[in-house]
Amino acid sequence: GENVEQHPSTLSVQEGDSAVIKCTYSDSASNYFPWYKQELGKGPQLIIDIRSNVGEKKDQRIAVTLNKTAKHFSLHITETQPEDSAVYFCAASTPGTYKYIFGTGTRLKVLA
Amino acid sequence: NAGVTQTPKFQVLKTGQSMTLQCAQDMNHEYMSWYRQDPGMGLRLIHYSVGAGITDQGEVPNGYNVSRSTTEDFPLRLLSAAPSQTSVYFCASRRGQNTEAFFGQGTRLTVV
Repeated sequence: GENVEQHPSTLSVQEGDSAVIKCTYSDSASNYFPWYKQELGKGPQLIIDIRSNVGEKKDQRIAVTLNKTAKHFSLHITETQPEDSAVYFCAASTPGTYKYIFGTGTRLKVLA
Repeated sequence: NAGVTQTPKFQVLKTGQSMTLQCAQDMNHEYMSWYRQDPGMGLRLIHYSVGAGITDQGEVPNGYNVSRSTTEDFPLRLLSAAPSQTSVYFCASRRGQNTEAFFGQGTRLTVV
């Protein structure tokens, strides 16, 4: 079945530095790749998503890149702030399956 | 709009007991899903529904039942609780395929 691998599982950066989280998917037919942020005690919330017909998407300090050939996509956070500390999940969706398959999560700590 | 509402927030069960986790959404979304979140394993799909009267199994369906009699509600039933079902459970809804999923606040379930 479809699988999504996510690395690293934990990431610590200094405030102001950049953070990169990488995911690899197994199903080459996957065409939608959302990223979710989960703060302590809350449900995940969408922060950015990308579709397979786009190679990169930016929203202020957050960007996502997609490499369809290699079947991987990455989340980039620039100028990190303490409020970026959270668990981040990538996911992939394949047409006709109605399911989002999530990665195992990355706990990001931004050190002040 | 309340979004996705889950009840209860916390629950302790004894092995063998049954219970129902409630999920309701007020966004008229067709797609609803149940996930469990365990340390190091990300979000795993239990059951999902693409509309009233339609349900299907996800990655880890054993020990759980669902029904979807209305668009708004998608309850998850634990038939005979086991310690392996100790987890945090999230309900999510979305408008359709490849759209933002909205998550509830989660139910922390402990089975002793």
